[in-house]
Amino acid sequence: GAVVSQHPSRVICKSGTSVKIECRSLDFQATTMFWYRQFPKKSLMLMATSNEGSKATYEQGVEKDKFLINHASLTLSTLTVTSAHPEDSSFYICSARAGAGELFFGEGSRLTVL
Amino acid sequence: GIQVEQSPPDLILQEGANSTLRCNFSDSVNNLQWFHQNPWGQLINLFYIPSGTKQNGRLSATTVATERYSLLYISSSQTTDSGVYFCAASDTSGTYKYIFGTGTRLKVLA
Repeated sequence: GAVVSQHPSRVICKSGTSVKIECRSLDFQATTMFWYRQFPKKSLMLMATSNEGSKATYEQGVEKDKFLINHASLTLSTLTVTSAHPEDSSFYICSARAGAGELFFGEGSRLTVL
Repeated sequence: GIQVEQSPPDLILQEGANSTLRCNFSDSVNNLQWFHQNPWGQLINLFYIPSGTKQNGRLSATTVATERYSLLYISSSQTTDSGVYFCAASDTSGTYKYIFGTGTRLKVLA
């Protein structure tokens, strides 16, 4: 299957700083990537759709200025959590569509904001 | 938007037992997948199954799109099958936005 790589896997930062998470499709091109957020013992919640060469589409209730998404190439999307606060602590996971419609997920990034 | 529900929410099995996990969705779907989330959070693709039946070893899945449900069968369960199983589906709008179900937390006892 297709491979999606996410980095970093864990990050700890101080409140008020910004954190960037990278999502790469390693063996295929992805015009569309998706960012999800997961709280402990909960399901995955779709945050936004990342479109190569254009603005991301955010789901209702997701702050665009808080979660900046850039999809500069066919293999890379980035999520930047700006001015992070403890309530932004979560597991963030990206995915990319390969082929007909199957999604492949990265390993996820666990963010802890102190 | 589409809603996805899974049952049961929790399941405890003895090793060797069989189980059936269910996924109901509220609207027509173009895509449907089953995942296993391991203890480190990684989502493992089990099946891409918008319709029909597929089998992979001890696992098999069936999606009846006209009745808006999918089933995941686990036979001869092993302790390594423990974890959370999610189904996710995207509707026919063409956005490929997958909405996840609430998950089934499976624990297999030795």
